[in-house]
Amino acid sequence: AQSVTQLGSHVSVSEGALVLLRCNYSSSVPPYLFWYVQYPNQGLQLLLKYTSAATLVKGINGFEAEFKKSETSFHLTKPSAHMSDAAEYFCAVSDQGDYKLSFGAGTTVTVRA
Amino acid sequence: EAGVTQFPSHSVIEKGQTVTLRCDPISGHDNLYWYRRVMGKEIKFLLHFVKESKQDESGMPNNRFLAERTGGTYSTLKVQPAELEDSGVYFCASSQNAESYGYTFGSGTRLTVV
Repeated sequence: AQSVTQLGSHVSVSEGALVLLRCNYSSSVPPYLFWYVQYPNQGLQLLLKYTSAATLVKGINGFEAEFKKSETSFHLTKPSAHMSDAAEYFCAVSDQGDYKLSFGAGTTVTVRA
Repeated sequence: EAGVTQFPSHSVIEKGQTVTLRCDPISGHDNLYWYRRVMGKEIKFLLHFVKESKQDESGMPNNRFLAERTGGTYSTLKVQPAELEDSGVYFCASSQNAESYGYTFGSGTRLTVV
């Protein structure tokens, strides 16, 4: 079964600073990888996904993530944090062709003015 | 296009009571999934419907949980009787194909058992 590890349950960044959220997965074959975001009082929204195409994936709201097979990582970045980025972020993984997602524990991002 | 709708958005019940959560998927989506996040833990898969059939219920925690999808449209998840450890957020998602990349999630139902 796939598993995901998100390093850091809480991340605090200054407005305008780099946002870096770390995600590592365990799999012997390249999986599908996802980042979801949950804003306060809202549902899970897909930020971006990797499905075996380009290793650098661009998502919504200026986020991007890079799939690194050698490091089994899929870290999420945004060059300049905005106050509206305050939310909880989840990394998720599935086997290619599977329907079931395995989620990480989530990382809560706070943005300081 | 309407998204995945879940209600109620919040429910507070006493231990031992029954609660029914409802999910309306996106019209035309044959695949419907339930996930939940109990406090401080990861979001976990509960089960998967294709139309009205349960394809995979490997994540259902015990027989106090009953999911149905009559007619292949909306789905209900009943917890009877509810226990304290059932508290958490229950998410529903739907997709056209049974592929992880096609999910649309609902806003979730926050269940609190007191």
